[in-house]
Amino acid sequence: AQTVTQSQPEMSVQEAETVTLSCTYDTSESDYYLFWYKQPPSRQMILVIRQEAYKQQNATENRFSVNFQKAAKSFSLKISDSQLGDAAMYFCAYRIGDDKIIFGKGTRLHILP
Amino acid sequence: DTGVSQDPRHKITKRGQNVTFRCDPISEHNRLYWYRQTLGQGPEFLTYFQNEAQLEKSRLLSDRFSAERPKGSFSTLEIQRTEQGDSAMYLCASSRGRRGTEAFFGQGTRLTVV
Repeated sequence: AQTVTQSQPEMSVQEAETVTLSCTYDTSESDYYLFWYKQPPSRQMILVIRQEAYKQQNATENRFSVNFQKAAKSFSLKISDSQLGDAAMYFCAYRIGDDKIIFGKGTRLHILP
Repeated sequence: DTGVSQDPRHKITKRGQNVTFRCDPISEHNRLYWYRQTLGQGPEFLTYFQNEAQLEKSRLLSDRFSAERPKGSFSTLEIQRTEQGDSAMYLCASSRGRRGTEAFFGQGTRLTVV
């Protein structure tokens, strides 16, 4: 079965500090894509960052970056200079080719002022 | 606003009633997905369409659930004979049919079965 595991149900970080959210996945495919989505309270899910599995370089979007370890099937999200607006549920997900997107159970991130 | 709209935003229904939800995807997107999300959990895949063709249905989707996408535009998700276990957020998303493209989500329809 193709799965996504997020082992941290909740995390907290002090404002302006750095936090890393963990994600592992399981697939035997070689053509796949990885995503981190953010779901703020009572708001819609939005894409944070995207990584192609065939690219060795880790994706970066402003304060958000990933650590993609293909052999270990690990895809962690690092948020630098955490802000109050970063408080949300974060979902790790992947997509094989043009198939459906499979999500993990999420990590709730709290930002402490 | 990502452009995917869902209607209604909230629905309260009595057990045993039928409900129908609508999703309007981003206009140039040919893929449309339905997910179900319960409190504190990740979205669970239900079904998806390529234009008007339903490509896959999850085993989670019992025969009380049916989805359509006539003419490859908007989609409807109907639940017949609702049960309390159907209470959840129903999310719709759309994407281009290219490999690896992200999906854009609507705000969801929250269903409460009483």
